[in-house]
Amino acid sequence: GAVVSQHPSRVICKSGTSVKIECRSLDFQATTMFWYRQFPKKSLMLMATSNEGSKATYEQGVEKDKFLINHASLTLSTLTVTSAHPEDSSFYICSACELAGYETQYFGPGTRLLVL
Amino acid sequence: GDSVTQMEGPVTLSEEAFLTINCTYTATGYPSLFWYVQYPGEGLQLLLKATKADDKGSNKGFEATYRKETTSFHLEKGSVQVSDSAVYFCALSNARDDKIIFGKGTRLHILP
Repeated sequence: GAVVSQHPSRVICKSGTSVKIECRSLDFQATTMFWYRQFPKKSLMLMATSNEGSKATYEQGVEKDKFLINHASLTLSTLTVTSAHPEDSSFYICSACELAGYETQYFGPGTRLLVL
Repeated sequence: GDSVTQMEGPVTLSEEAFLTINCTYTATGYPSLFWYVQYPGEGLQLLLKATKADDKGSNKGFEATYRKETTSFHLEKGSVQVSDSAVYFCALSNARDDKIIFGKGTRLHILP
């Protein structure tokens, strides 16, 4: 089946620095990628929808200047957490939809971010 | 390691039929269990959840009961509608590391 990778799988950074997380579809083209955040002991929250070649669509309450999303190609989307703070520590997951249709969605393994 | 297995789709039903989507899990400890739904063209949404054994999660006419003895969390709805057509994902999150693990998803088609 289709594979989605994320890099890095785990990152620890100091408060105030920026962190970039990559999401790649390894064997298919993805016009749409989604970014999710999971808070401790809670369910997944959709942060934004990323479409190749256009600006991301952010969910209500998600700061677009804080969480920069770039979808530069059909196989790569990046999420940059700018000026990270401890409250940004979380588990970030991306998913990608195949070019052929929205129904098939594949999830990345997630990235654990810890901001000290 | 922890894992989630759900029935393969697609599942095709007529409107007002009874729905069951099976989900079983393997996990150490006492995970929280979730059902997520993805409507066409949209991202994942939480449908319902249960955090301990015998809890029943419910929302929009859907319900699922956390059965520790059978390690199951089957999704049910008494009377489906065309608007329920979507992909449904069963998932677990273990308190040990908060990582969420998804099943592969079950596509549901409801015919009018």
